[in-house]
Amino acid sequence: NAGVTQTPKFRILKIGQSMTLQCTQDMNHNYMYWYRQDPGMGLKLIYYSVGAGITDKGEVPNGYNVSRSTTEDFPLRLELAAPSQTSVYFCASSYSSTEAFFGQGTRLTVV
Amino acid sequence: GENVEQHPSTLSVQEGDSAVIKCTYSDSASNYFPWYKQELGKRPQLIIDIRSNVGEKKDQRIAVTLNKTAKHFSLHITETQPEDSAVYFCAASRGEYGNKLVFGAGTILRVKS
Repeated sequence: NAGVTQTPKFRILKIGQSMTLQCTQDMNHNYMYWYRQDPGMGLKLIYYSVGAGITDKGEVPNGYNVSRSTTEDFPLRLELAAPSQTSVYFCASSYSSTEAFFGQGTRLTVV
Repeated sequence: GENVEQHPSTLSVQEGDSAVIKCTYSDSASNYFPWYKQELGKRPQLIIDIRSNVGEKKDQRIAVTLNKTAKHFSLHITETQPEDSAVYFCAASRGEYGNKLVFGAGTILRVKS
């Protein structure tokens, strides 16, 4: 049972480049989330989804987009990378309001 | 919106001593309060959680207490061990739309042997 899987684990982007962070879960969870974690800080919610086809903004959505075409996948898109988006990104999933399971994270550096 | 404050930011204890981390929250509608442990370079992992209809919950050396009136909750670790060294995060959620968690800033716990 893989749980929540994120790819890539590390990435360096140049300012203005675009990329997609992939997230997939095999637990049939209806809820999925994207968080970012800056050094010395807690996690901040970027976007979340309550099911396939439904997404909504979290605390810090600017500069990001998401889609949820299937229950399993919840990719996060950065269109024009900026240094302020340098962070560690965690995808998570849960079944209703129960425990949220996190992926292993993607460390992104924008230079 | 919800705001979660966590104290202290760092905590050093001697092996075998107890450690207490405290969090306060602002949204009285929050009803789910998990604690996550994050080791260096790893993902956050749930260690214990509590819901608003319960005042205290214990799991071996770990316990969480909740005071709804004062809007604060605490993590208690007894008989600390070196492997307890990590960053601990508290969080709060209304339990709506799944589990949209608002996290505290974290506490770095160092257990000295």
